[in-house]
Amino acid sequence: DIVLTQSPDSLSVSLGERATINCKSSQSVLYSSNQKHYLSWYQQKPGQPPKLLIYWASTRDFGVPDRFSGSGSGTDFTLTISSLQAEDVAVYYCQQHHTTPCTFGQGTKLEIK
Amino acid sequence: QVQLQESGPGLVEPSGTLSLTCRVSGFSIISANWWSWVRQPPGKGLEWIGEAYYTGDTSYNPSLKGRVTISQDKSRNQLSLNLNSVTAADTAIYYCSRRPLWYGQSSYFDFWGPGLLVTVSS
Repeated sequence: DIVLTQSPDSLSVSLGERATINCKSSQSVLYSSNQKHYLSWYQQKPGQPPKLLIYWASTRDFGVPDRFSGSGSGTDFTLTISSLQAEDVAVYYCQQHHTTPCTFGQGTKLEIK
Repeated sequence: QVQLQESGPGLVEPSGTLSLTCRVSGFSIISANWWSWVRQPPGKGLEWIGEAYYTGDTSYNPSLKGRVTISQDKSRNQLSLNLNSVTAADTAIYYCSRRPLWYGQSSYFDFWGPGLLVTVSS
């Protein structure tokens, strides 16, 4: 199975500041035939299911604010929140679907400093 | 708008079978999408259980060692999950979710049900 390791496990950021979450894959999630990275990001607030934020490593889902962005290639990926808002407090997960079984990172808990 | 709703017993006895249903509304399960189950032990991370396509194709997480069966009822637009020989380690919130078919395989999870907590205990 592909192992996704997120860092840090938890993060405290001041309102309006940048938050950066990393996701490292144990092997490449790039599909050479279409040059797409099979890596997605989710936000999960307490008592709610995960919400899709980013797919193909850098494409925002419909309605996701543009302060959220995804980047990276190969085995190293980043989710960036450019200006943290109070409603962004959540746990964030990366997920790969390059190889079955699809797998998730362990999660990063984001809090307000 | 796609809506998913899980239902079933919230308590299952050890060694028994966990059986859940996911009702899909606003969208047909007969479509270019895989319909999946994901679980999350309380306070822990996410684990993909398996999924089904309307053709009858299924795919399961090998970690569940053959204990899982996922099926579809096209007439009711529903997805079902059966997990047998359950133990306390199977206590979790169970979610159903949609995965669009892209480039010939299932992709990201774009719609989720609210989840159902199932506790395995006597």
